[in-house]
Amino acid sequence: DVKVTQSSRYLVKRTGEKVFLECVQDMDHENMFWYRQDPGLGLRLIYFSYDVKMKEKGDIPEGYSVSREKKERFSLILESASTNQTSMYLCASSARIGTTNYGYTFGSGTRLTVV
Amino acid sequence: QQPVQSPQAVILREGEDAVINCSSSKALYSVHWYRQKHGEAPVFLMILLKGGEQKGHEKISASFNEKKQQSSLYLTASQLSYSGTYFCGTERGNFNKFYFGSGTKLNVKP
Repeated sequence: DVKVTQSSRYLVKRTGEKVFLECVQDMDHENMFWYRQDPGLGLRLIYFSYDVKMKEKGDIPEGYSVSREKKERFSLILESASTNQTSMYLCASSARIGTTNYGYTFGSGTRLTVV
Repeated sequence: QQPVQSPQAVILREGEDAVINCSSSKALYSVHWYRQKHGEAPVFLMILLKGGEQKGHEKISASFNEKKQQSSLYLTASQLSYSGTYFCGTERGNFNKFYFGSGTKLNVKP
């Protein structure tokens, strides 16, 4: 089974802290994604990457950055955490067929609370 | 750009059928369906790539009408285990950019 592992299930951070969320996948997938999920707003794409060292902005990239130095690892960085970044963060990976994504495999999520 | 799902919520008794719809204002290249149970990550159910294609297994199937830019998920003879929130996801050919619908909450009762 494809496995996507997120380093933390729950995190509590203070406003202004720099926060790192780590994600590792074990199936050699080209594509990796970071979403945040909030009640009533669904899943919103923050950043994605379709290759090592490549990154593309999603719909809500402000306040976030990402790093993909190795194919299996995709990190989300909150440069200076704010309370409006309190959310569930979901990492996902997918294989690429041509120019389309095959089904996403999601990690179990990191529930981040910024106080 | 986000696809629109309907209905927002459904309550069923075990054994009843349900249909969840997903539509887009833009031309679609593919449609995915996912189910998320409370407190868990979404799980991939199926992908539809061709117009008019219907896929599925057991009692969950889906159709994709490329011309109408719509997809429907069919749950027949629902079971308690079908409860959860169902999301469609659509890709419009922008390389790797993908949009999820807002979700349909399905509650199957005994």
